Amino acid sequence: GENVEQHPSTLSVQEGDSAVIKCTYSDSASNYFPWYKQELGKGPQLIIDIRSNVGEKKDQRIAVTLNKTAKHFSLHITETQPEDSAVYFCAASTSLRGKLTFGQGTILTVHP
Amino acid sequence: DAEITQSPRHKITETGRQVTLACHQTWNHNNMFWYRQDLGHGLRLIHYSYGVHDTNKGEVSDGYSVSRSNTEDLPLTLESAASSQTSVYFCASSESGRLSSYNEQFFGPGTRLTVL
Repeated sequence: GENVEQHPSTLSVQEGDSAVIKCTYSDSASNYFPWYKQELGKGPQLIIDIRSNVGEKKDQRIAVTLNKTAKHFSLHITETQPEDSAVYFCAASTSLRGKLTFGQGTILTVHP
Repeated sequence: DAEITQSPRHKITETGRQVTLACHQTWNHNNMFWYRQDLGHGLRLIHYSYGVHDTNKGEVSDGYSVSRSNTEDLPLTLESAASSQTSVYFCASSESGRLSSYNEQFFGPGTRLTVL
């Protein structure tokens, strides 16, 4: 089955800096890669996703890049703010029916 | 507003007891999923369902069962609770995938289960 590795497990940055979280996947058939943000005491929430036919996608301060050849994808957050502090999960899917395999998660802390 | 709810939010039980965690969604989504979240392991899929009377095992299904008798609910049962099942459990739902679209999973608030 699919295996998703996520790094780093913790990331600490100063407000205004950029943050990058990286994931690798094992199944070359994976074609959908979402990123979820989990705030303390809540369930994860989708923040951005990318399909395999796209190399990069941006949404304001958040961007995701995908390298299918190397089987890795990354989340980039620019101009970080304290409210970006949360746990971030990457995931991969081979199925339109929505079954996801998640990475281990990254605890992002943005210091004011 | 449509939503997904889980109950109870917190549960303490003893080893060997049967425990059922409830998940209810009002979006009329066909797909429903149960995950457990443990530090260092992220979210691991326990069971999932693509519709009424359909259930499938995920990567960590041993000791858990589900049944889907209607669209709205997917209860998760721990047949004989073990300390290794102490975790935070999340339920999620999504629409059925269409030919050219993947659909977002919407997560509930989670249930924190402690097995003593």
